[in-house]
Amino acid sequence: DVKVTQSSRYLVKRTGEKVFLECVQDMDHENMFWYRQDPGLGLRLIYFSYDVKMKEKGDIPEGYSVSREKKERFSLILESASTNQTSMYLCASSRGDRGYEQYFGPGTRLTVT
Amino acid sequence: AQTVTQSQPEMSVQEAETVTLSCTYDTSENNYYLFWYKQPPSRQMILVIRQEAYKQQNATENRFSVNFQKAAKSFSLKISDSQLGDTAMYFCAFMILSGYALNFGKGTSLLVTP
Repeated sequence: DVKVTQSSRYLVKRTGEKVFLECVQDMDHENMFWYRQDPGLGLRLIYFSYDVKMKEKGDIPEGYSVSREKKERFSLILESASTNQTSMYLCASSRGDRGYEQYFGPGTRLTVT
Repeated sequence: AQTVTQSQPEMSVQEAETVTLSCTYDTSENNYYLFWYKQPPSRQMILVIRQEAYKQQNATENRFSVNFQKAAKSFSLKISDSQLGDTAMYFCAFMILSGYALNFGKGTSLLVTP
C-alpha cells in the first residue's frame, strides 16, 4: 500500500515564524503536491513537483515555497507565517503517468497565532 | 481554466438507502479525467472512483457508481445501500489530460443516519 506521511498532525506557530511542513512517500512516486484545505473552499493547490528539484506553482503559491531534494520528500515552507495561513495542509503523491490517482497524507492542521 | 462545482454543501441519507451527489465542471478540453474522493472525519482522503472522459461507459466500484454526461459536463456519484461508514466529505475533482494536478470542488458533506 502507498503510504504518505506528514511530519505533524497538529502544529501551532506564532506570526512571523518560519514553518516547515514535511511530507514523505514510500512508493517511488514522481509527483508530489501540497494542497491547502479550508471549509467551504475545498482543496486548493499550492505547489507541486514532478521530479527532484523541479517545482511548479499552483493556484495559491503566495507566501509559500517548497523544496524537493530527494524523490521521496517534499517540504512546504512558510517563510513568515501569518494568521491567514491557519489551515489544514494536505500532501499528496502520484505516479508520473497522466491521470493517475493521487494518494494523500493525513494532513497537518496548522494554527498561526 | 477548469472549474468544478458541487452544488450540495450537505446531504443526509438513511442507512441502506441510495443517494446521489452532484458535480458539474467547466472545461474546453476534450480529454480529461474525473475523480470522486472521500474524506472521512479525521481520516485520510481516499479515491472512490475514477472516470476517463474518452470512455463512454460509466465507472463502477462496488456500491459506488457514476453518471457521466460529457455533453452536459456532469459527473454525479451514486452510493447504493448506504452504510454508516460512508459518512464523509466527498470531493469531485478534475484533471486535464496533459496535467498532473487536480482541480477540486468545494465538497459535499454526507451524513448517513441509522
